[in-house]
Amino acid sequence: EDQVTQSPEALRLQEGESSSLNCSYTVSGLRGLFWYRQDPGKGPEFLFTLYSAGEEKEKERLKATLTKKESFLHITAPKPEDSATYLCAVDNYGQNFVFGPGTRLSVLP
Amino acid sequence: NAGVTQTPKFQVLKTGQSMTLQCAQDMNHNSMYWYRQDPGMGLRLIYYSASEGTTDKGEVPNGYNVSRLNKREFSLRLESAAPSQTSVYFCASSYTSEEFFGPGTRLTVL
Repeated sequence: EDQVTQSPEALRLQEGESSSLNCSYTVSGLRGLFWYRQDPGKGPEFLFTLYSAGEEKEKERLKATLTKKESFLHITAPKPEDSATYLCAVDNYGQNFVFGPGTRLSVLP
Repeated sequence: NAGVTQTPKFQVLKTGQSMTLQCAQDMNHNSMYWYRQDPGMGLRLIYYSASEGTTDKGEVPNGYNVSRLNKREFSLRLESAAPSQTSVYFCASSYTSEEFFGPGTRLTVL
């Protein structure tokens, strides 16, 4: 069964303290890996799509990378407004995405 | 351009009551989805529609029905609500790859 896990479950950082979130996947096939940001009480907001191992995408303080078994979301010098839950999802050529449970990030001023 | 809209935002039902969650998108997307999100479990697909006139079951379809009314609208119906259906429900749409989500409906079944 295809599976996506994320770690850590929750992460607290001080403003400016860089870190990484992990998304590990076990799937029969990978068409693409997606990162979303979700703020409390709102729907997920698309951040990145990665299609092949070695690919990297950047947006402001966020950089997503992909290997054959996992993806990392690197957060450089985070600010309080980066606080959110970050979701990872895999398109396994199936009917829908397989989502991970998310990492809840808190950035303290 | 409103994107994906959902109504209502909040709903409280008693066990056995029925209701329909409404979803509409104005991005001319072919595919639409209904997910539920529960703490610690990630988003799980209930039903999806690859195009107008077609619907298919997802991972957790039991207790739900859907209607793809036209290209814009995709509704989710609970015929006889159960406490296990207490959740946050998200509608999404897509054209090729990434999915765009609505703001969600928070449903409580007592």
